Amino acid sequence: DAKTTQPTSMDCAEGRAANLPCNHSTISGNEYVYWYRQIHSQGPQYIIHGLKNNETNEMASLIITEDRKSSTLILPHATLRDTAVYYCIVRAASGYSTLTFGKGTMLLVSP
Amino acid sequence: GAGVSQSPSNKVTEKGKDVELRCDPISGHTALYWYRQSLGQGLEFLIYFQGNSAPDKSGLPSDRFSAERTGGSVSTLTIQRTQQEDSAVYLCASSSTGLAGGPITDTQYFGPGTRLTVL
Repeated sequence: DAKTTQPTSMDCAEGRAANLPCNHSTISGNEYVYWYRQIHSQGPQYIIHGLKNNETNEMASLIITEDRKSSTLILPHATLRDTAVYYCIVRAASGYSTLTFGKGTMLLVSP
Repeated sequence: GAGVSQSPSNKVTEKGKDVELRCDPISGHTALYWYRQSLGQGLEFLIYFQGNSAPDKSGLPSDRFSAERTGGSVSTLTIQRTQQEDSAVYLCASSSTGLAGGPITDTQYFGPGTRLTVL
């Protein structure tokens, strides 16, 4: 699976949009971009994934650049409960693939 | 609907004792994964089940570790003769297919984990 690069940490004010970037310049054509987050002392939580089109669900939006070399996870109205480590992962499009988390981005949402 | 559940949530044991950790996957999910996460570290894959079979157990760190799955549902991870280095959070995840060669990477959903402390 391709390597990803994320900032170590980011700050966001409560109620504002949090935009978390991820670089994946070596992504292959059949690899998906996945985002998970892990709130302190909890198991990882799936957020969203996409191949090449932008995606939106009840938690977040995922914007993937046209060349697919980078993406941005958007939390439209961050709350204090969104404080967590966010992981961007690139996974091969096969039915079986174990997950490998890098260091992720520590997002701190402040009042 | 119900997510992945794990029990116990916390387990403290003495070095040398055996422990059993349980995972209840999401109903209908055929694939089940065990991972562990040591303090400040990333995810470490342990074993993967498809149904009751374990086609990939390459991540089990030693023969003290074993896992089984029955009825294509509940899984138990057993650690024999625990050591202090076994202390970690043990995470279970499930997905709906996980079949090799499938066209779409399946999303894994995690349980809350079991925090194991070996004294």
